[in-house]
Amino acid sequence: DVKVTQSSRYLVKRTGEKVFLECVQDMDHENMFWYRQDPGLGLRLIYFSYDVKMKEKGDIPEGYSVSREKKERFSLILESASTNQTSMYLCASRGPPRYTFGSGTRLTVV
Amino acid sequence: AQSVTQLDSQVPVFEEAPVELRCNYSSSVSVYLFWYVQYPNQGLQLLLKYLSGSTLVESINGFEAEFNKSQTSFHLRKPSVHISDTAEYFCAVSRIQGAQKLVFGQGTRLTINP
Repeated sequence: DVKVTQSSRYLVKRTGEKVFLECVQDMDHENMFWYRQDPGLGLRLIYFSYDVKMKEKGDIPEGYSVSREKKERFSLILESASTNQTSMYLCASRGPPRYTFGSGTRLTVV
Repeated sequence: AQSVTQLDSQVPVFEEAPVELRCNYSSSVSVYLFWYVQYPNQGLQLLLKYLSGSTLVESINGFEAEFNKSQTSFHLRKPSVHISDTAEYFCAVSRIQGAQKLVFGQGTRLTINP
């Protein structure tokens, strides 16, 4: 089975900090995704990547950037964290047609 | 672009009662359809999917969903629920061709009462 690992389960950061959320998959998948999950809004796509160094904006990219230097790793970066970025962040990897999700990182910005 | 609407944000039912969680989607192209489940304090798990073929798909724990192309629906049903089915359920679609990102509905919280 594909394993998608998110490095932190819980994070607390201060407003204005630069925050890195890491995601690693172990199946050589080309497609990886970052979502945020908020009550009543479901999961919304922030960014996705088709391959190394390839990235595309999702539906809510403002305030975020991503990095994909190696195929197995897809990082989400909050350049200057704000309180409205407090949320659950989920990473996913796609091996067609199946998507596998990580356990999530619950980020609190104070 | 694709969109997904889950018509009920919360569904409370009694144990052993039947349940239906409704999902409608909008897309100008052919799509794959998915239901995901998230148990309390756990990650997202695939419950079932429709890719092609028979429009009725089943999961290993008794849920089923039927793809209805004319009504653009993919409702999830279970004839008799258990306490352990308490979870949040998400309907999602992805394009078959092109950008194959998953687009999710808002989620339905299913609460089973004894």
